[in-house]
Amino acid sequence: QVQLVQSGAEVKRPGASVKVSCKASGYSFTTYGVSWVRQAPGLGLEWMGWISGYNGHTNNAQKFQGRLTMTTDTSSTTAYLELRSLRPDDTAVYYCARDSVGTTGVVDYWGQGTLVTVSS
Amino acid sequence: DIQMTQSPSTLSASVGDRVTITCRASQSIGDWLAWYQHKPGKAPRPLIYKASSLESGVPSRFSGTGSGTEFTLTISSLQPDDFATYYCQQYNYYSTFGQGTTVEV
Repeated sequence: QVQLVQSGAEVKRPGASVKVSCKASGYSFTTYGVSWVRQAPGLGLEWMGWISGYNGHTNNAQKFQGRLTMTTDTSSTTAYLELRSLRPDDTAVYYCARDSVGTTGVVDYWGQGTLVTVSS
Repeated sequence: DIQMTQSPSTLSASVGDRVTITCRASQSIGDWLAWYQHKPGKAPRPLIYKASSLESGVPSRFSGTGSGTEFTLTISSLQPDDFATYYCQQYNYYSTFGQGTTVEV
């Protein structure tokens, strides 16, 4: 069965970076993409960016331009999200989700979420 | 980025009610719109894709309509399992979620 298993919770200081991993199994990693979505406390879902599992092409929401890096390791079928220059309002649960391979689409399977807390 | 605006933000309803949620896009997105159901502690579940196509396994009481900039999600007869938060998502240009509509008792 399709599974996306994310790394554990993180606590970071403002200005630091965080890297979240998302290990995919149960499907052909290179025929799908991965989107990253976050949910801050009490708020809704926010799409952050997408990466193709086939060729590593990415696109991301303008607000994260310059702070966000998404990568994949096809040998381990793992996607990574790195967010830099963290601020307290980056505190959120970060989800990876299976997406289309060529561009963004409907995300069907989701990881369990990774809580990132940014606090001094 | 394309902005998605849902209304209402919160909706009070009872079992058996017909419920309608609206989603408006800041520019035309064709029919590249999905709807999700989200419950606390669970992953969001896709309900509708391409504005009106029902995902496999989703009950037929859920339906979606619209194209261009205005879309609706309708639950024809609300069931106890349907109390949740619903999000629209455009995927015409990158992706954007609406702010969510919570359906509560």
